[in-house]
Amino acid sequence: AQSVTQLGSHVSVSEGALVLLRCNYSSSVPPYLFWYVQYPNQGLQLLLKYTSAATLVKGINGFEAEFKKSETSFHLTKPSAHMSDAAEYFCAVSQTDGNQFYFGTGTSLTVIP
Amino acid sequence: EAGVAQSPRYKIIEKRQSVAFWCNPISGHATLYWYQQILGQGPKLLIQFQNNGVVDDSQLPKDRFSAERLKGVDSTLKIQPAKLEDSAVYLCASAFASGRSNEQFFGPGTRLTVL
Repeated sequence: AQSVTQLGSHVSVSEGALVLLRCNYSSSVPPYLFWYVQYPNQGLQLLLKYTSAATLVKGINGFEAEFKKSETSFHLTKPSAHMSDAAEYFCAVSQTDGNQFYFGTGTSLTVIP
Repeated sequence: EAGVAQSPRYKIIEKRQSVAFWCNPISGHATLYWYQQILGQGPKLLIQFQNNGVVDDSQLPKDRFSAERLKGVDSTLKIQPAKLEDSAVYLCASAFASGRSNEQFFGPGTRLTVL
């Protein structure tokens, strides 16, 4: 069975500081992994995805994530936080025999001016 | 290109009433999903369509929830009768094709409040 765990339901960083949002997965087979962002009153938008190619994945808005099989992790990072990064972030893993996604519980990012 | 459209954006009903949500996916997208997102949780898949056929409805509470995609384009999700615990945001998403790596595009959601 596939699942994801997001450590920290709320993360606060200062503007210009490093953003690190944690995601650990469990999967019986090599997973496909995704990060989505959700702004208030909007749907989810794909930030980036890992599909067994390069382990370091670059996404939109300066975000990137590294797939680490040994740690079963797919943490999301951004070198310098911007006020516009304040949102809810979801990690997701896709099921092996289809494209049903299993989402984590989300991490709310607050950026302090 | 136009995104996934959903209506209404907000709905308030009393328990035991019925409610319906509508979704129009991105043109050409064969796969359509309905998710339920309860406050403080991640989206949970309710049902997945491939064209007008159901691929997965294992997590759909079939005693009160129903969904259809008759012509393989837009879709309707219905709750009858609603319960308090159905209060959530209902998200519709579409993808060009099924498959693990295909990006899902999400609509803005319908926020349902059951009183």
